[in-house]
Amino acid sequence: SQTIHQWPATLVQPVGSPLSLECTVEGTSNPNLYWYRQAAGRGLQLLFYSVGIGQISSEVPQNLSASRPQDRQFILSSKKLLLSDSGFYLCAWSGGLVDTQYFGPGTRLTVL
Amino acid sequence: AQSVTQPDIHITVSEGASLELRCNYSYGATPYLFWYVQSPGQGLQLLLKYFSGDTLVQGIKGFEAEFKRSQSSFNLRKPSVHWSDAAEYFCAVGPSGYALNFGKGTSLLVTP
Repeated sequence: SQTIHQWPATLVQPVGSPLSLECTVEGTSNPNLYWYRQAAGRGLQLLFYSVGIGQISSEVPQNLSASRPQDRQFILSSKKLLLSDSGFYLCAWSGGLVDTQYFGPGTRLTVL
Repeated sequence: AQSVTQPDIHITVSEGASLELRCNYSYGATPYLFWYVQSPGQGLQLLLKYFSGDTLVQGIKGFEAEFKRSQSSFNLRKPSVHWSDAAEYFCAVGPSGYALNFGKGTSLLVTP
């Protein structure tokens, strides 16, 4: 069966520091991968998606970037964090465009 | 434009009572519809989905949902709520590009 992992589970970082969040998927190949951010009372906002290695699409302009160095690895990064980057970050995968998305456990990021 | 509306931000029900969570969508074609549940600090878990066929869909944990095209709705129901059902519930519609379009969620509180 498929499993999706995210780490770290929680992270507290100072403003201006770099960020790296990792997401890996097991039990499937060539998944579509997604990064969402969830802010309180605002639902889920899609940040990035990837349909293959090295293929990244951004949904909103922001301080963050994403990379997919391996088929089942998706990384969310920032060179300099802002206070507004605080939130709950969720990684998800799907088997195709028109398919169910399955979510990881999430990373709680607090920028101070 | 595609959108998902969950009219109720908070709902409180007594344990053992029935539950209905509302979801209305705006979508130009036949949508794919999903309900997810999120416990505090956790990722999203798929409850059920509708792609085509029977408009009454059964999911996990005793939940069901009914797709009503004429009303653009996909309401979630459960005949008897348990205390463990207290969580945040998200309705989603897709595809929206390469992703899903999520509602802002409904927070369910279950009282003894």
